[in-house]
Amino acid sequence: NAGVTQTPKFQVLKTGQSMTLQCAQDMNHEYMSWYRQDPGMGLRLIHYSVGAGITDQGEVPNGYNVSRSTTEDFPLRLLSAAPSQTSVYFCASSPTGRNSPLHFGNGTRLTVT
Amino acid sequence: GESVGLHLPTLSVQEGDNSIINCAYSNSASDYFIWYKQESGKGPQFIIDIRSNMDKRQGQRVTVLLNKTVKHLSLQIAATQPGDSAVYFCAESNRDDKIIFGKGTRLHILP
Repeated sequence: NAGVTQTPKFQVLKTGQSMTLQCAQDMNHEYMSWYRQDPGMGLRLIHYSVGAGITDQGEVPNGYNVSRSTTEDFPLRLLSAAPSQTSVYFCASSPTGRNSPLHFGNGTRLTVT
Repeated sequence: GESVGLHLPTLSVQEGDNSIINCAYSNSASDYFIWYKQESGKGPQFIIDIRSNMDKRQGQRVTVLLNKTVKHLSLQIAATQPGDSAVYFCAESNRDDKIIFGKGTRLHILP
């Protein structure tokens, strides 16, 4: 099993550009989530999903969209990138979410200039 | 990468000593708590978890203590090794399905 796979590993965007960070898991986990990690800020929850067709906002959802059309995939979309979105983004999954540990991908490092 | 650790509180421990990493959580309704370890350039990895109906749980070389009265969680690592050097995060979960992380502590092992 590959676990949680994030692509790309690195990305540089110009302000105003759009892009999608991809996340896929092969563990048949119901729960998936996106975090961003900034120096000294820990991991902050952007969006999460408790199952296919269901998404909800986390602590810092502004500027990001998500969808969950399949159990396996949970893409994160930046519609108009801003320098404040420069960060490391982590996708995670777990069998049930709130009562089981998260499995993390290795992250996408995004720079917005 | 390394920039993740900037501005984090740091705990320096002699190799072979025990380490205690503390965490204050915010939500008294949280009922599931998890400790993660993050090495440079990688995603966080699960270490140990505890539910609110317990106050102590032991794993291999690690123990988690939960004090619900003061909303405090700690991670004890026995006989700290160089491979334990990392950033450690606590996380809390409650009925709204959000899993919220603390800011993290860097553990530095002294030779």
